[in-house]
Amino acid sequence: NAGVTQTPKFQVLKTGQSMTLQCAQDMNHNSMYWYRQDPGMGLRLIYYSASEGTTDKGEVPNGYNVSRLNKREFSLRLESAAPSQTSVYFCASRLSGANEQFFGPGTRLTVL
Amino acid sequence: KQEVTQIPAALSVPEGENLVLNCSFTDSAIYNLQWFRQDPGKGLTSLLLIQSSQREQTSGRLNASLDKSSGRSTLYIAASQPGDSATYLCAVGLTGNQFYFGTGTSLTVIP
Repeated sequence: NAGVTQTPKFQVLKTGQSMTLQCAQDMNHNSMYWYRQDPGMGLRLIYYSASEGTTDKGEVPNGYNVSRLNKREFSLRLESAAPSQTSVYFCASRLSGANEQFFGPGTRLTVL
Repeated sequence: KQEVTQIPAALSVPEGENLVLNCSFTDSAIYNLQWFRQDPGKGLTSLLLIQSSQREQTSGRLNASLDKSSGRSTLYIAASQPGDSATYLCAVGLTGNQFYFGTGTSLTVIP
C-alpha cells in the first residue's frame, strides 16, 4: 500500500497563476483533509471531506477550492495564487469515527 | 476556537534520558488527541491516538496520557535514542473532522 500520496512535491508559481494539488489514498478511508503548515503556526485545516460527495470548510478556506473526485482522490485548487499562500500543504485521510489520521509527504509551494 | 500549546518549543537531552513533552488545550470538550512525529522536510507519522474516554495509550517506549479536565496531554519517551530526534506535534480533535495542532516541540537527543 502506498498510503497517502501527493503530487507535485515542489511547485513555484507566480502571483495570479492557478494550480491544482492532487492527493490520493489507497486505504479505503472515508474522510480526507487538506492542511497548510507555516513556520511558527502549526498545521491549519483548509478543507475536509467527510465522505465521497461532501466537502466542508476548515479554519482557513479563503483562496482555495476542493473537489472530492471519488473515494480515493481529493484535490485542492488555487485559482489565483498569492504570496500569502506560500506554504507546505499536507493531505491526510482517516477511516471514520475516532480513528487516527494518516498524512501524505506534503507539497512545498512557493508563490512569487 | 481551540488553542493548542506545546512547551517547550525545543528540547535537547543526552541519549538514554527519559523525557516528557507537554501539550495543553483550552477547550476540554475534545473528541480525541493524536501525537505525531515529523522529521525535517517530511510528512507526519502517527505515534499514538487517545480517545476522549481514555486516560492513556502506550506503544513501545512511548506513553501518552490525557487529562481533559485540566486540558493537558503528555508524551513520555523512555530511554531516548538519537533516532528519536524530530519534531513532535499534538493534534486535538473537537468534532469528528475539526482538528487543531500545536506548533510542536523540536527534540534533539545527543549521542
